[in-house]
Amino acid sequence: AQKVTQAQTEISVVEKEDVTLDCVYETRDTTYYLFWYKQPPSGELVFLIRRNSFDEQNEISGRYSWNFQKSTSSFNFTITASQVVDSAVYFCALTTSGTYKYIFGTGTRLKVLA
Amino acid sequence: DAGVTQSPTHLIKTRGQHVTLRCSPISGHKSVSWYQQVLGQGPQFIFQYYEKEERGRGNFPDRFSARQFPNYSSELNVNALLLGDSALYLCASSSLRTGTDTQYFGPGTRLTVL
Repeated sequence: AQKVTQAQTEISVVEKEDVTLDCVYETRDTTYYLFWYKQPPSGELVFLIRRNSFDEQNEISGRYSWNFQKSTSSFNFTITASQVVDSAVYFCALTTSGTYKYIFGTGTRLKVLA
Repeated sequence: DAGVTQSPTHLIKTRGQHVTLRCSPISGHKSVSWYQQVLGQGPQFIFQYYEKEERGRGNFPDRFSARQFPNYSSELNVNALLLGDSALYLCASSSLRTGTDTQYFGPGTRLTVL
């Protein structure tokens, strides 16, 4: 069975603080893909990053960074120097080779306070 | 380039009615997927279509149906609406027929069933 767990329901930070959003996944497939999406109040899911199971390199994009660790089945997302515009619900998702669907976690609501 | 578009933005229906939601994919994308997102949860996969053929179906009753047109746009139909069908319905498009390709989401249609 495939599953994505985002244990943090809601996180509040003060602007300029760093924050890490956790994502733990379960799959028996050796080839799989992980994603992070941002959902602002407007509702649209905005694609942030995609990672495949064979690439464990961490990635940095501006204030965003992602830590992929197969040993712990985790794909965590860190926002450095958070800003109010980062306030949103963030979803981690999983799909495997040959399937048609994404499995989403329940999301983490991030509130960045000015 | 235009992203995924969905119509209508909001919809209010009563129990027992029928509803049709529409989606236009990103230009050049041939695959469309539909997801249901209940308040406070992650999106749940309903259907995926590729080249007008259904490629995958989630765990939803037969009241839910969909189709894809020659121009790759898609419709999601829900019959005999229940209160529990109230949700944000998201459409996603991708260029490949499997879930391993990145899916880009539209703004969603918010359906309220009274």
